[in-house]
Amino acid sequence: DTAVSQTPKYLVTQMGNDKSIKCEQNLGHDTMYWYKQDSKKFLKIMFSYNNKELIINETVPNRFSPKSPDKAHLNLHINSLELGDSAVYFCASSQDGVNQPQHFGDGTRLSIL
Amino acid sequence: GESVGLHLPTLSVQEGDNSIINCAYSNSASDYFIWYKQESGKGPQFIIDIRSNMDKRQGQRVTVLLNKTVKHLSLQIAATQPGDSAVYFCAEAGNMLTFGGGTRLMVKP
Repeated sequence: DTAVSQTPKYLVTQMGNDKSIKCEQNLGHDTMYWYKQDSKKFLKIMFSYNNKELIINETVPNRFSPKSPDKAHLNLHINSLELGDSAVYFCASSQDGVNQPQHFGDGTRLSIL
Repeated sequence: GESVGLHLPTLSVQEGDNSIINCAYSNSASDYFIWYKQESGKGPQFIIDIRSNMDKRQGQRVTVLLNKTVKHLSLQIAATQPGDSAVYFCAEAGNMLTFGGGTRLMVKP
């Protein structure tokens, strides 16, 4: 069974649209994350979330918002997509907080036309 | 296929040789460090971690060394195999996990 799964794997859409990426983890972890990886492979944290606290990287535009319906899911909503949003987005989870290994999904490649 | 990180530093080694990948971190207050391996089309995969109260930790064929004085981390891979070819990232944990820029390891058969 896949520990951290994301859907869709590929997402191609037009500038200005609103889209969502789903993430589910079956590890029983308390903390989930979203990362953005650009074309140069640079990985950057966007959000860290558990049932107590949302930590937002201050450089993330407010067009991006995480939604957590329950502990096992953290979806990423993106409004008014821009060309610069094209990247691979990774979801991850850890048992409890950042000082433990994070397990990553296989990514969602978002392409903005 | 996946776009290639053309600006990634690359380490090319012969199969069977040992590999050493280096990383400089920025935050002297970081107390937890991780190495990840990322293969093409996949997410980062945990390899090994180390906490700041240690300077060396060994796993299966991998060793991580931590030098807090100069804020340096290294990953040593023994008897490198073709399956080790990937991009390797170090990461440091402050209030969030901060990744280094990555090193591409290429293993020549």
